[in-house]
Amino acid sequence: KAGVTQTPRYLIKTRGQQVTLSCSPISGHRSVSWYQQTPGQGLQFLFEYFSETQRNKGNFPGRFSGRQFSNSRSEMNVSTLELGDSALYLCASIDPRGSAEAFFGQGTRLTVV
Amino acid sequence: AQSVTQPDIHITVSEGASLELRCNYSYGATPYLFWYVQSPGQGLQLLLKYFSGDTLVQGIKGFEAEFKRSQSSFNLRKPSVHWSDAAEYFCAVGAASGGSYIPTFGRGTSLIVHP
Repeated sequence: KAGVTQTPRYLIKTRGQQVTLSCSPISGHRSVSWYQQTPGQGLQFLFEYFSETQRNKGNFPGRFSGRQFSNSRSEMNVSTLELGDSALYLCASIDPRGSAEAFFGQGTRLTVV
Repeated sequence: AQSVTQPDIHITVSEGASLELRCNYSYGATPYLFWYVQSPGQGLQLLLKYFSGDTLVQGIKGFEAEFKRSQSSFNLRKPSVHWSDAAEYFCAVGAASGGSYIPTFGRGTSLIVHP
């Protein structure tokens, strides 16, 4: 069974630009969560999508948004990039049996310059 | 709301020595508890998990963890550390939220292994 796939692996963007990251979950997993990981803040929950609906949301500004498609693939978008948005963005697909076990992709390393 | 505390930011051990990484959680009900490991630039890999039953759980790579309800702890242990165990370790609690279970992570403990 293929794992969670995130694309691209690396991105360099300029302040003020916007960026879209993609995540394909494990087949059969309908819940996808996004996390931002920085050295200072650790792993912070961004949002969770389930069956194309945002079901949970973390404490991030509205510049961070996401969506999920009917095939459970998810995208997250960050608009008006700031230097502080530089981070590793991790996507996780959650075990549908309700165990809360998260299966992580390798992440997208975003650098804002 | 649930929370996880990993009090040690860095731990340094010699290869072959034993290891214990501490984790304390806060959650009103019986939690789902996890330990994940992250190598540099990579995603997180599940080491082990506790849902119910035996409070001592075995995981991959020779790791084990013990759930102690009275201390709200879920410490990770390994009897003999290998150089390849050097990585970042995250404790997480999975709690119900909006119809799903969202894991909340601790800040992580960086393990350094000396030869």
